Amino acid sequence: KAGVTQTPRYLIKTRGQQVTLSCSPISGHRSVSWYQQTPGQGLQFLFEYFSETQRNKGNFPGRFSGRQFSNSRSEMNVSTLELGDSALYLCASRQGPNEKLFFGSGTQLSVL
Amino acid sequence: TQLLEQSPQFLSIQEGENLTVYCNSSSVFSSLQWYRQEPGEGPVLLVTVVTGGEVKKLKRLTFQFGDARKDSSLHITAAQPGDTGLYLCAALTNRDDKIIFGKGTRLHILP
Repeated sequence: KAGVTQTPRYLIKTRGQQVTLSCSPISGHRSVSWYQQTPGQGLQFLFEYFSETQRNKGNFPGRFSGRQFSNSRSEMNVSTLELGDSALYLCASRQGPNEKLFFGSGTQLSVL
Repeated sequence: TQLLEQSPQFLSIQEGENLTVYCNSSSVFSSLQWYRQEPGEGPVLLVTVVTGGEVKKLKRLTFQFGDARKDSSLHITAAQPGDTGLYLCAALTNRDDKIIFGKGTRLHILP
């Protein structure tokens, strides 16, 4: 079974631009969660989607948004990038609400 | 807000030594998980503890869930360089089923 796949692996953007990150979950997993990881704040929850509906949302500004498609693939979008958005963005999938998370390798975003 | 506090933040020890890292909270959780993350990769689940007082062993790693289900510890016996990594504890929040993480303990084992 293929694992969670995130693309791209690395991304460099400048302030004010927008970015879209992609995540393909493990086959059969209907839940996809997104996390931001920085050295100072650790892993912070962004949002979770289940069957194309947002189930949970973390405390991030509206510039951070996401969606999930009917095949469970998910995208995350950040608009009007700021320097502080530089981070490793991790996607994780699970079969259902009480199951364990399987993480992708992440997208390392650098905002210059 | 439910928070998980991990200590120590950093730990560097010699190969062969024993160590314990901690995960504490003021909240009660139904379960707690431990993950290990290596550079350039996402976290990988090591164990889930569910019952207060539960002890689980994974080779040289021993995980314990506190009796009150507010804290947990990870003990490594005879640490090896392959144990190097970021150890994260995580818990399912009671209100909305999202998984939150502590900031982690960065462990470095010197050969």
